[in-house]
Amino acid sequence: DAKTTQPPSMDCAEGRAANLPCNHSTISGNEYVYWYRQIHSQGPQYIIHGLKNNETNEMASLIITEDRKSSTLILPHATLRDTAVYYCIVGHDRGSTLGRLYFGRGTQLTVWP
Amino acid sequence: GAVVSQHPSWVICKSGTSVKIECRSLDFQATTMFWYRQFPKQSLMLMATSNEGSKATYEQGVEKDKFLINHASLTLSTLTVTSAHPEDSSFYICSAKATGTGGNGYTFGSGTRLTVV
Repeated sequence: DAKTTQPPSMDCAEGRAANLPCNHSTISGNEYVYWYRQIHSQGPQYIIHGLKNNETNEMASLIITEDRKSSTLILPHATLRDTAVYYCIVGHDRGSTLGRLYFGRGTQLTVWP
Repeated sequence: GAVVSQHPSWVICKSGTSVKIECRSLDFQATTMFWYRQFPKQSLMLMATSNEGSKATYEQGVEKDKFLINHASLTLSTLTVTSAHPEDSSFYICSAKATGTGGNGYTFGSGTRLTVV
């Protein structure tokens, strides 16, 4: 079952930063925070994941609070192509036999020109 | 990077027939693959976990006799929807978990749109 809470929708102006929040207050110590996005009628695309430290890659930054009960995905310069449903997922590392991802409802991000 | 290929991308079948969907990991070995179903305007629902060489593990409420899963090799898992009915029409997506370390871990296919008429 999904263990995260996200706002159902958010808007962002093109070129501005998009900050997508996620609450995961019941996360356990060995669970990661994963972020995926899904553009209409496509498979989910991996964005970033982390355990407790902040992470950054070419797509986004992930900020995890010290108590790990919430996180924020940051798209630094949103473009129209970033319009998608963004899923925050809590799950075990793939190396674990428990490793599998349960999706919640996600956040529909709409980037406006 | 890791690529998962799903085939076909869409299929239309008559009610009562069976449909097979393939999921292949192209450049890595996947001991574990996952099958999801997504209805319009809803999230992905995990149906089952497929392990190479063993029986699949189905989520609660998913009929194992209707959704047959075979994971015969480290690069191929198949989902067969048996005796399909219109209510089985959905978007089916597979995901593969790579062995070893490195990479992002869970890679998804592009999905199969099944329409049962």
